[in-house]
Amino acid sequence: SQTIHQWPATLVQPVGSPLSLECTVEGTSNPNLYWYRQAAGRGLQLLFYSVGIGQISSEVPQNLSASRPQDRQFILSSKKLLLSDSGFYLCAWSSGLAGGPFSYNEQFFGPGTRLTVL
Amino acid sequence: AQSVTQLDSHVSVSEGTPVLLRCNYSSSYSPSLFWYVQHPNKGLQLLLKYTSAATLVKGINGFEAEFKKSETSFHLTKPSAHMSDAAEYFCVVSANDMRFGAGTRLTVKP
Repeated sequence: SQTIHQWPATLVQPVGSPLSLECTVEGTSNPNLYWYRQAAGRGLQLLFYSVGIGQISSEVPQNLSASRPQDRQFILSSKKLLLSDSGFYLCAWSSGLAGGPFSYNEQFFGPGTRLTVL
Repeated sequence: AQSVTQLDSHVSVSEGTPVLLRCNYSSSYSPSLFWYVQHPNKGLQLLLKYTSAATLVKGINGFEAEFKKSETSFHLTKPSAHMSDAAEYFCVVSANDMRFGAGTRLTVKP
């Protein structure tokens, strides 16, 4: 069966510090991968998605970046965090076998990382 | 273009009473529709999905949803609420892109 991991689970960082969040998927090959942010009391905002190694699409221009160095690894980074980067970050995957990254398949979510920028 | 509207931001029910969470969608395609549940500080868990097969979809934990094309609705129901059902619920429409509703917070009173 497939599993998705995220770490760290919680993170407290000062403004201006760098960020690296990691997501890995097990039990599947060539998945579509996604990063979402959920601000307090708000819905999900899609940040990045990837259909393959080295292929990153950005949905929202900001000081965050994403990378996919391996098939089942997705990393969210920032060089300098802002207060507004605080939130709950969710990684998700979907099957890469049927259609594009937003076809008719469901996405499966990781446990999330709670980021607080002070 | 697609959109999804969850008609209630907050629903409160008593334990043992029925649950109804409402979702309307708009899509130029014949989309797939999903309901996810999120407990505090947890990821989203898929409750059920509609993918153009049976219009009444059964999911986990006793939830079900009915796809009504004429009403462009996909409401989530459960006959009897349990305390553990208290969570945030998201309706999602997916075709060539994926749209999440703003969420409905379900409170279950003892």
